[in-house]
Amino acid sequence: AQTVTQSQPEMSVQEAETVTLSCTYDTSESNYYLFWYKQPPSRQMILVIRQEAYKQQNATENRFSVNFQKAAKSFSLKISDSQLGDTAMYFCAFMKPSATSGTYKYIFGTGTRLKVLA
Amino acid sequence: DAGITQSPRHKVTETGTPVTLRCHQTENHRYMYWYRQDPGHGLRLIHYSYGVKDTDKGEVSDGYSVSRSKTEDFLLTLESATSSQTSVYFCAISERNSADTQYFGPGTRLTVL
Repeated sequence: AQTVTQSQPEMSVQEAETVTLSCTYDTSESNYYLFWYKQPPSRQMILVIRQEAYKQQNATENRFSVNFQKAAKSFSLKISDSQLGDTAMYFCAFMKPSATSGTYKYIFGTGTRLKVLA
Repeated sequence: DAGITQSPRHKVTETGTPVTLRCHQTENHRYMYWYRQDPGHGLRLIHYSYGVKDTDKGEVSDGYSVSRSKTEDFLLTLESATSSQTSVYFCAISERNSADTQYFGPGTRLTVL
């Protein structure tokens, strides 16, 4: 079975500090994609960052960057210079093609609730 | 933001009644998806569509049906709602193929009493 594990249910960080959220996944596939989504209290699911498994370079979007370790099946999210608006639930997601249909499908982790403290 | 709306945004209904949730997109994207979000489970795929009248099941499809008669609309129907279907439902879209990033609607909170 394909699984995504986020081992930190809750985390907190001081404003302006750096925090890292962990995510591990289990797959035998070589072609897949990884994502981090943010869900603030508004409930909207917002894309933070996307990583293609075939790319060795870690993706970066402004204050958000990932540490993608393919051999270890690890995909952590680093948030630099944390802001109050970063307070949210963060979901790691893994996408791979279905063995039967070939359609790519997401598998989500259970989320990490991050609170940024003033 | 992707042009995705969901209606209704909140609904309370009784066990045994039919319920239809609507997802509407203005992006002309090919793929549309329905997920449910429950505590401790993240988001789980219910059904998806890869074109008008083309749909397929996800991992938690029992008790749900879908229809897509137009590119812009994807309907999720609970034929006879049960309390276990109390959840937050999200619609998502992706542009050309299923490997494209999915963008989500605002969600619908459904409570089945």
